[in-house]
Amino acid sequence: DAKTTQPNSMESNEEEPVHLPCNHSTISGTDYIHWYRQLPSQGPEYVIHGLTSNVNNRMASLAIAEDRKSSTLILHRATLRDAAVYYCILRESRSGTSYGKLTFGQGTILTVHP
Amino acid sequence: EPEVTQTPSHQVTQMGQEVILRCVPISNHLYFYWYRQILGQKVEFLVSFYNNEISEKSEIFDDQFSVERPDGSNFTLKIRSTKLEDSAMYFCASSGTVILAEQFFGPGTRLTVL
Repeated sequence: DAKTTQPNSMESNEEEPVHLPCNHSTISGTDYIHWYRQLPSQGPEYVIHGLTSNVNNRMASLAIAEDRKSSTLILHRATLRDAAVYYCILRESRSGTSYGKLTFGQGTILTVHP
Repeated sequence: EPEVTQTPSHQVTQMGQEVILRCVPISNHLYFYWYRQILGQKVEFLVSFYNNEISEKSEIFDDQFSVERPDGSNFTLKIRSTKLEDSAMYFCASSGTVILAEQFFGPGTRLTVL
């Protein structure tokens, strides 16, 4: 699996936007960019994924650089509940490879201040 | 909203004993996974399971580990002879399809080996 690089930690204030960066300079053309997060004492939770175009869902937005070598997860208004470890993960899209496993890195610890 | 459940939430065992960790995946999902997270470390893939057989396994998943879907609803992870280093949080996950579908994680079972 291609490698991703994320900052170890970031801080934000409640109700402010948060931009969580991820570098993936060795991404291949068939790799999708997935984000998961892990709230304290819980299992990981899917956030969003994309390939080339920016994506929005109820939880977040994903901005993907034109060259796909980096992406940014955007939380539009951080809440205390968004304090978690955020993982940027590349997943191959070729059927029959990887069998869907997720390869987690260390992620970014997001702290949200009241 | 459907969810993955795991039992027990905490299992304490003596070194050398067998343990079985249980998971009930989301009912219409076809792909099942086990991950583990040693305290303070990253989430690690153990095994994926589809159509009643292992699809992929990591180096961690040695002969001491086995998985089973005994009755069409439960998905179990057995560790035959536990070691101290097996102490970790074990997460079960399921997904409807393989490559791009989000994986839904359970709350985890904390295994403590004494």
